[in-house]
Amino acid sequence: QKEVEQNSGPLSVPEGAIASLNCTYSDRGSQSFFWYRQYSGKSPELIMFIYSNGDKEDGRFTAQLNKASQYVSLLIRDSQPSDSATYLCAVLFSGTYKYIFGTGTRLKVLA
Amino acid sequence: DTEVTQTPKHLVMGMTNKKSLKCEQHMGHRAMYWYKQKAKKPPELMFVYSYEKLSINESVPSRFSPECPNSSLLNLHLHALQPEDSALYLCASSQDWEQGPYEQYFGPGTRLTVT
Repeated sequence: QKEVEQNSGPLSVPEGAIASLNCTYSDRGSQSFFWYRQYSGKSPELIMFIYSNGDKEDGRFTAQLNKASQYVSLLIRDSQPSDSATYLCAVLFSGTYKYIFGTGTRLKVLA
Repeated sequence: DTEVTQTPKHLVMGMTNKKSLKCEQHMGHRAMYWYKQKAKKPPELMFVYSYEKLSINESVPSRFSPECPNSSLLNLHLHALQPEDSALYLCASSQDWEQGPYEQYFGPGTRLTVT
């Protein structure tokens, strides 16, 4: 059973803090990992993708991948109220060409 | 430009109606997808088209009929839907399907209500 697990939250952080979102996956052979942000009633918006172990930074966002431990995380620095949304982790499992989405973590940034 | 467009934004239809959802992308992507998303759930894959050919059908009921007229357009024809089919229908595209890895870009979605 291919699974992607996320804590549903809500994760509440004060404005200006670092928000840390985590995602674990079941398939050790997975190669590609994606983070999407989804505002209520809107469609998912791609934030970042990561394929290699380590960190990848883009502005206030950092994706971290640890394939040995089978987790991928998203850090949001200097969190803003506008970052309040559901964050979806998607994993491309080995041997398939399909995304498996986690159930998403709801983030609330408190002003 | 990473824009995928979808029409209509909202659709209300009766169980005996026939309607179509439309999706368009001009990024030169060769793979297009239909997803269904219920409230507070992740998107669920329905269909994948690669190079205008249906590659994946995730055991979707025949009342949903996809069509890919050309590499930029994707339609979803709806007929005899049930109230439980009410959901947000999302179209996505990516540069390729099998020659990954790839990123999928989503359109704004069509909010469908079946009465």
